[in-house]
Amino acid sequence: EAGVTQFPSHSVIEKGQTVTLRCDPISGHDNLYWYRRVMGKEIKFLLHFVKESKQDESGMPNNRFLAERTGGTYSTLKVQPAELEDSGVYFCASSLSDTQYFGPGTRLTVL
Amino acid sequence: AQSVTQLGSHVSVSEGALVLLRCNYSSSVPPYLFWYVQYPNQGLQLLLKYTSAATLVKGINGFEAEFKKSETSFHLTKPSAHMSDAAEYFCAVRPLGNTPLVFGKGTRLSVIA
Repeated sequence: EAGVTQFPSHSVIEKGQTVTLRCDPISGHDNLYWYRRVMGKEIKFLLHFVKESKQDESGMPNNRFLAERTGGTYSTLKVQPAELEDSGVYFCASSLSDTQYFGPGTRLTVL
Repeated sequence: AQSVTQLGSHVSVSEGALVLLRCNYSSSVPPYLFWYVQYPNQGLQLLLKYTSAATLVKGINGFEAEFKKSETSFHLTKPSAHMSDAAEYFCAVRPLGNTPLVFGKGTRLSVIA
């Protein structure tokens, strides 16, 4: 069974540009989460989808971040426009019940 | 709000020595507790989890953790460290149900030959 996949693995962009991160969860997992780790800090929750609906987006830092989950399958996280403080590793996780399975993360660098 | 404290951002042990990584949590309800490991250039991998069954939980690669409610702790141990255990370890907590995880800051484990 394929695990959670994320694309791209790395992204380097200039401040003010737009970046879109993609997450493909484990097939059949209704729950999809986005987390972020800024350098030197703990991994922090961004938002939670149940199928295509946003269950909890209390961790989204501001309105420059937009997440979608098309048809309850893959999810995208768009940052527009990117700022320097958005740099970090963005993790996606999916779950069926109590255990969340993580993807390898996307390392975003904003210059 | 729930929180997780991992004591020591960096721990070094000799190969063959005991590994002890500390995790304390604060929670108003009995939580689910997890340890994840991140090997270099890889994603987070589940090591073990506590979900209110046995208090001593065995995980992969010889790791285990003991839930102690009175001490609000969930320390991770391994009797004998191996070079391949060098990684960053994260303790995480969440209340019952499909809710987000709250992570500690992580502990980087180095194993010295």
